[in-house]
Amino acid sequence: ETGVTQTPRHLVMGMTNKKSLKCEQHLGHNAMYWYKQSAKKPLELMFVYNFKEQTENNSVPSRFSPECPNSSHLFLHLHTLQPEDSALYLCASSPDSAGTSGGADTQYFGPGTRLTVL
Amino acid sequence: AQSVTQPDIHITVSEGASLELRCNYSYGATPYLFWYVQSPGQGLQLLLKYFSGDTLVQGIKGFEAEFKRSQSSFNLRKPSVHWSDAAEYFCAVGVGQGAQKLVFGQGTRLTINP
Repeated sequence: ETGVTQTPRHLVMGMTNKKSLKCEQHLGHNAMYWYKQSAKKPLELMFVYNFKEQTENNSVPSRFSPECPNSSHLFLHLHTLQPEDSALYLCASSPDSAGTSGGADTQYFGPGTRLTVL
Repeated sequence: AQSVTQPDIHITVSEGASLELRCNYSYGATPYLFWYVQSPGQGLQLLLKYFSGDTLVQGIKGFEAEFKRSQSSFNLRKPSVHWSDAAEYFCAVGVGQGAQKLVFGQGTRLTINP
């Protein structure tokens, strides 16, 4: 596997279920991200992790709980979601927080998990 | 607050025609600007980026973009589009340390007529 992978690719869950999204990057990067892509809304940054530490939480509801056990893996734990949480959830990674490429990192995105909450 | 506007939600062009996708940003500091493309069922792929220096930036797949500070714009261009260019295009500005926080525009969906 190369690049950024996400599993599952599709997920349907009820509002009382608990599920997790998984992201894995094979690029040797140290920063990882979760984004939400809803219909008719711009991509929204949810969380940022640098060297396994959370450095950004963009006012995300607590029913979304991220976990970063190491620099290669990122999870998004989901519980008691609402139908409006249905969206494409994208994971991304970048080399590091210092921005070695002239001041800003390039983020590499996975294919996303299409989540439907019934 | 920082923001990105892509005025055109949907554009249709004929194969072989030239293309320009508009992007305007609002950000108080030096902007780090990006164009990404998303094909159906796929994640985002970086086309090009601007950090500093030459305001005309070359990217992959024959795309280029020009940074115009006076107009707060970063428009994407391609001289001759191919059917495979049909996709959704996103402009973004990177803010914060290392420009890690990407603020995206709404996106422009490009359709190519044969």
